[in-house]
Amino acid sequence: SQQGEEDPQALSIQEGENATMNCSYKTSINNLQWYRQNSGRGLVHLILIRSNEREKHSGRLRVTLDTSKKSSSLLITASRAADTASYFCATAPGSNYQLIWGAGTKLIIKP
Amino acid sequence: DAGITQSPRHKVTETGTPVTLRCHQTENHRYMYWYRQDPGHGLRLIHYSYGVKDTDKGEVSDGYSVSRSKTEDFLLTLESATSSQTSVYFCAISGGQGARGGQETQYFGPGTRLLVL
Repeated sequence: SQQGEEDPQALSIQEGENATMNCSYKTSINNLQWYRQNSGRGLVHLILIRSNEREKHSGRLRVTLDTSKKSSSLLITASRAADTASYFCATAPGSNYQLIWGAGTKLIIKP
Repeated sequence: DAGITQSPRHKVTETGTPVTLRCHQTENHRYMYWYRQDPGHGLRLIHYSYGVKDTDKGEVSDGYSVSRSKTEDFLLTLESATSSQTSVYFCAISGGQGARGGQETQYFGPGTRLLVL
């Protein structure tokens, strides 16, 4: 069963604009992670945010976590064509020892 | 990039035949995973390993078995391939420590595309 659900399922923006993707989940978590997948490739880890953290930055990426709303957002600023990919959130539920994956947001950056 | 390789990268097989996929890591990580990825489903965990000869089932384990006889190798076997097992299979590893180490950052292999005719 899917714990994390990304929203929107697909997003198309102009190069240079900011892209925001959201992830909602259902149960308490130890951490939440975001990954990127370029077409035909394996997933690449972007950011891990723990349940006691509210915001984290990595380069042009900003992740927020609101445990009261059971949601997270990934912001990519000043998007580039190379950001075109699918983005997945994965949650680490408090009750087991694995990651639970959402179905992903497909991001297209138009030149 | 984490040292993870998968073999084969592509395979076409016929219904009813056994198939074995191999994942090899050079990172000495404790946790290894097999996922399948299908359109609209994200990643679904098939089996995982938390040490040599220590494995457990994931969400979609029916029709699959695994073995881990060495830290670096994790094998996934489709005992009798069916068309519903046509998918992209990803291996991942995690170097997390302790019982919840499997919830830390995962590093993925390049994937194996399997077509069952």
